[in-house]
Parts: sequence; C-alpha cells; structure tokens
Amino acid sequence: EAGVAQSPRYKIIEKRQSVAFWCNPISGHATLYWYQQILGQGPKLLIQFQNNGVVDDSQLPKDRFSAERLKGVDSTLKIQPAKLEDSAVYLCASTTLARGLNTEAFFGQGTRLTVV
Amino acid sequence: DAKTTQPNSMESNEEEPVHLPCNHSTISGTDYIHWYRQLPSQGPEYVIHGLTSNVNNRMASLAIAEDRKSSTLILHRATLRDAAVYYCILRGGGAQKLVFGQGTRLTINP
Repeated sequence: EAGVAQSPRYKIIEKRQSVAFWCNPISGHATLYWYQQILGQGPKLLIQFQNNGVVDDSQLPKDRFSAERLKGVDSTLKIQPAKLEDSAVYLCASTTLARGLNTEAFFGQGTRLTVV
Repeated sequence: DAKTTQPNSMESNEEEPVHLPCNHSTISGTDYIHWYRQLPSQGPEYVIHGLTSNVNNRMASLAIAEDRKSSTLILHRATLRDAAVYYCILRGGGAQKLVFGQGTRLTINP
C-alpha cells in the first residue's frame, strides 16, 4: 500500500511569511496527526484529527498555526506569520481506527522548514 | 498522558543483542506499550507493540514485566542500520493519542 505522502520536502522562508504543508494519509486511515520536531528533540504532537474532526489541538499555537482536514482525507497545516523558532521538521502520521489502540501509526518523510 | 522514562543514550556492538529499557510506572490497565524508532533524516517507524504478553516480530521482541511497569525492547542481533532513536510510548484512552518523549539514541559500533 502507498505510504503517507507529504509535500514539500523542504521549504525556506523569511520570518513573517506564511507557509503551508500538505499531507495525504494512507487510504482509509481515519486518524491523522501533525507533529513538530525541532532538531535534537522528540516529535511534539500539534494536532490530531479523527476523520474531519479535531480530537486534540492543545499544543497547537493557535495564534499562528492552523490546520484543516476537509472531507476527512488529506490535510494542510499552515503557519502565518512564521517565526525563527518555527524552524523544524513537520511530520504527518496516520492510523486506522479499526483495531483501536492495537494498531500502528505510519509516518511520512516530513517537511523540513527553515525560517530565516 | 502516561509518562515513560528511557535512558538518553546506549551503545552496543554489531551482531550483539541490544536491550533497550523503558519504565512506565503510571501505566493504566488499558494502555498499550508501543515502540517506534527514527533513523537519521527519516520519519519515525513502527517497531512493535504489546499489552501484557511478550511479543515477537521480524524486527524485534518486546518483553513486558509482569506488573507492566517496565518493558524492554530487544534487538536480537544489532546491525549498523539499527542505529536510531528509539521511542517507548504508552497509548491509551479513547483518543488514540501518540505522544513521544525524548527516546534513547542507540549507537552501534562496527
């Protein structure tokens, strides 16, 4: 089966500009996660969707970050305006609901964002 | 979110077994123990998971303590390709959250 697709792979922007990342999860996966991974740290969960509804966005800086998952399939994560500290790898993951917690999540390759 | 504790780093030699420990003393009865690893410049990948019994798959084995307050990921014969950061994660509750800690950076010496 095809994996989780993310684009772009790399992005360089100036501070105060806006940027968007796209994620296409594995077909049929109801749960989608966005993570931010700063160099040297573990991935930090930003937002979790179940179908097109938000399950958890407690760690999402809502003054500048937004995410949507229209139609419960692919998703976009936006940053506006970007700050230097947003430089990180943004990871998308998906998992099926079919077996509840007894199932694994699949990750994309990530988008490396550099804010200058 | 239930918390796990792992050593920051470990080192082993190629073709030797590796035992990666994880403490999770606050685990609840319905929490699954999941392990993921992250190779350099890649997204995390699933390794193994279990609830109460020990588990084996083609990548590794998971040994779970009888009281479930700790577990050990076992790589039976490490290769250079196993050098990665290994994350032990508890998954529980209805939300299916997947929350990472700092993980253990495993170095394999040739």
